[in-house]
Amino acid sequence: EDKVVQSPLSLVVHEGDTVTLNCSYEVTNFRSLLWYKQEKKAPTFLFMLTSSGIEKKSGRLSSILDKKELFSILNITATQTGDSAIYLCAVGAGAGSYQLTFGKGTKLSVIP
Amino acid sequence: NAGVTQTPKFQVLKTGQSMTLQCAQDMNHEYMSWYRQDPGMGLRLIHYSVGAGITDQGEVPNGYNVSRSTTEDFPLRLLSAAPSQTSVYFCASSRTATNEKLFFGSGTQLSVL
Repeated sequence: EDKVVQSPLSLVVHEGDTVTLNCSYEVTNFRSLLWYKQEKKAPTFLFMLTSSGIEKKSGRLSSILDKKELFSILNITATQTGDSAIYLCAVGAGAGSYQLTFGKGTKLSVIP
Repeated sequence: NAGVTQTPKFQVLKTGQSMTLQCAQDMNHEYMSWYRQDPGMGLRLIHYSVGAGITDQGEVPNGYNVSRSTTEDFPLRLLSAAPSQTSVYFCASSRTATNEKLFFGSGTQLSVL
């Protein structure tokens, strides 16, 4: 059974802090790892990391994938209140039709 | 560009009632899927489809049926609603069955009393 574990489950920081969110996984036939941000409604895509792309950056957000140690981190620098959300990690795996397995998410709260 | 459209946004059912959650996408995506999201449980896959006429079960399929008669539509049917099916349901699609960037609908909040 594929497993995706995120930590911490919740986090409260002050504006301007830097945060690191963790995602570890155990899957068969790994294909990719994705990060999503979920505010009040639908998850929105942030990054996809694969064997050919193990580091991504967009503005204050960045992510790396360690395929050897089977984990990924999502970094957010200079946090803002608008970063408050649930951050979801998902791993795509499978030899045929893939399935995405999601972690339980990390709830980030950024206070002024 | 509407993307993935789900209806209804909210629904209250009584135990034993049946209903269909609608999902449509206008991006010509091959892959469509249904997830449920419960507090502390993350997103769990119910059913998915890799193309018209092809469906398969995910992690938590019991109590749900799906069909895919067209590329655009992927309805989720609750046959006999139970309180354990109270959840937020998301439909999601991607361009192909191997393109793993999912686009999500806005969700349906379902309560079963």
